[in-house]
Amino acid sequence: GDSVTQMEGPVTLSEEAFLTINCTYTATGYPSLFWYVQYPGEGLQLLLKATKADDKGSNKGFEATYRKETTSFHLEKGSVQVSDSAVYFCALRQDNFNKFYFGSGTKLNVKP
Amino acid sequence: DVKVTQSSRYLVKRTGEKVFLECVQDMDHENMFWYRQDPGLGLRLIYFSYDVKMKEKGDIPEGYSVSREKKERFSLILESASTNQTSMYLCASRGGAQSYGYTFGSGTRLTVV
Repeated sequence: GDSVTQMEGPVTLSEEAFLTINCTYTATGYPSLFWYVQYPGEGLQLLLKATKADDKGSNKGFEATYRKETTSFHLEKGSVQVSDSAVYFCALRQDNFNKFYFGSGTKLNVKP
Repeated sequence: DVKVTQSSRYLVKRTGEKVFLECVQDMDHENMFWYRQDPGLGLRLIYFSYDVKMKEKGDIPEGYSVSREKKERFSLILESASTNQTSMYLCASRGGAQSYGYTFGSGTRLTVV
């Protein structure tokens, strides 16, 4: 079945460091891919998405490219801030199905 | 912006109690979902609904039921709460086929003692 695997955390970085959170998926066909972010005490918010191969999603300085050849959707940011500290979830959805599949989440801690 | 409101942020219930978790969305979305979030396991789908009075089991429906009598409201029911149902519960909604993302509520942290 469909599934998402993302790197285990926590990831601890200093402010202005480069961030990569790896995400790979298993799915038939051509799913849409998403990154969600959960700040402490809150629900999940959509961060960015990509709906077809080679699309790049971007938002708030974060980017991820839909790589069908490697079944990956890694999240990157060139310079993280303390305010980026949160849990990040990678997810996929098949366009003809109603449900999402989420990864287990990666906690990011950014230190000043 | 779509708003998804969960009635309680924190709940403490006793083993064996019947527990109702309420979720309301204000954008006329057809689809609503209940997930539970546990450390190391991510989000797991309990139930979802794609229309009033319609429901579908997700991946972990055992011990739960749902109710959707009105389009805007989707309730999760724990018929007899158990300690292994201590978790963060997240409600989400989504519009029609052209709407890609979920909108999540802030979550209800349920502790069963």
